Amino acid sequence: EDQVTQSPEALRLQEGESSSLNCSYTVSGLRGLFWYRQDPGKGPEFLFTLYSAGEEKEKERLKATLTKKESFLHITAPKPEDSATYLCAVQNAGNNRKLIWGLGTSLAVNP
Amino acid sequence: DVKVTQSSRYLVKRTGEKVFLECVQDMDHENMFWYRQDPGLGLRLIYFSYDVKMKEKGDIPEGYSVSREKKERFSLILESASTNQTSMYLCASSLLGRDQFFGPGTRLTVL
Repeated sequence: EDQVTQSPEALRLQEGESSSLNCSYTVSGLRGLFWYRQDPGKGPEFLFTLYSAGEEKEKERLKATLTKKESFLHITAPKPEDSATYLCAVQNAGNNRKLIWGLGTSLAVNP
Repeated sequence: DVKVTQSSRYLVKRTGEKVFLECVQDMDHENMFWYRQDPGLGLRLIYFSYDVKMKEKGDIPEGYSVSREKKERFSLILESASTNQTSMYLCASSLLGRDQFFGPGTRLTVL
């Protein structure tokens, strides 16, 4: 069964303290892995798509990497405005529309 | 930039009422999606549409129906609202069925 597990569930960092969020997945054939950011009471905001193992993408303080079993979202020198829930989703190669979602990691960055 | 709008940010309805949630996207995307999001359960797909007048059930379609008469508009209908349908409802659209772009969400409360 296709599955996405995100860890930790919650993470609290001090401003400037770098860390990583994990997204482990089990899927019969990966078509794509997606990272989103969600602020409280708002819709998810698209961040990255990764398609194959070894691929990396960066945006400001965020860097996403992909292996055959997991993806990491590295946050370098975070600021309080990076506080949000980060969601991971995967798409099975056999189903080109539906995404399988993780439950997210809630990140709080203290000033 | 892709813009997805939803008809209401907050909605309060009574049990048994018929409820319409509307979603409009401005990027000529073929695919549109309706999700609900609940604490601890994550994002769950209700219905999606891959073309005008075409629809497919997602993971939790019971109690819901959808309508897509125009490419840019996708409506979610609760035929007879119940308290267990109190939730955050999120609409998304995508061009190729991969990168999904979300609207701001509708927080529905059924009393």
